[in-house]
Amino acid sequence: GAVVSQHPSRVICKSGTSVKIECRSLDFQATTMFWYRQFPKKSLMLMATSNEGSKATYEQGVEKDKFLINHASLTLSTLTVTSAHPEDSSFYICSATPIPGLAGGVGQFFGPGTRLTVL
Amino acid sequence: SQQGEEDPQALSIQEGENATMNCSYKTSINNLQWYRQNSGRGLVHLILIRSNEREKHSGRLRVTLDTSKKSSSLLITASRAADTASYFCATGSPSGGGADGLTFGKGTHLIIQP
Repeated sequence: GAVVSQHPSRVICKSGTSVKIECRSLDFQATTMFWYRQFPKKSLMLMATSNEGSKATYEQGVEKDKFLINHASLTLSTLTVTSAHPEDSSFYICSATPIPGLAGGVGQFFGPGTRLTVL
Repeated sequence: SQQGEEDPQALSIQEGENATMNCSYKTSINNLQWYRQNSGRGLVHLILIRSNEREKHSGRLRVTLDTSKKSSSLLITASRAADTASYFCATGSPSGGGADGLTFGKGTHLIIQP
């Protein structure tokens, strides 16, 4: 089946540093990937839509300069949290749809998530 | 606007019993999906029901969709301790063609007591 990986699975960093999270589709190509954020005991909130070869589309309230997204290839999207602060601590999850526009397909495939802790 | 709100927020039942979770949404949808998340883990896709479908089954799962009421339910029959997890419904917009980011509900935390 379609597998999405994320790296790292968890990261602890000091305030002010930048952290890069990778999202890879391992056995399929994904022109579109999505980044979500989840606070403890809360639901997932869509942060941005990552499109291969073009700029990401950010949801309202998400700072594009804070959360840099690069979709460098059909199997890789990266999220960089720049100048991280404690309030950026969260669980970041990516997902990918195997074929764009596959309405009524099998849904999105989610990565295992990356837990970011900013000290 | 908030999309996909589940109830109850928490549900605790005995192993072997059936668990029913409900989800309501506010705008038109192309499909509605249910996901499962074990504590601190990623999401697992359970089932997708299209807007023109009313009921769908997958193993011990049964999903219904009532577009007139903008609601869906997820039934897990003969629950097992391993079903303990959080369950989320999620919707995408009709125009997305399946390639939209999803809007998730708040989730139901299900606890199956042995």
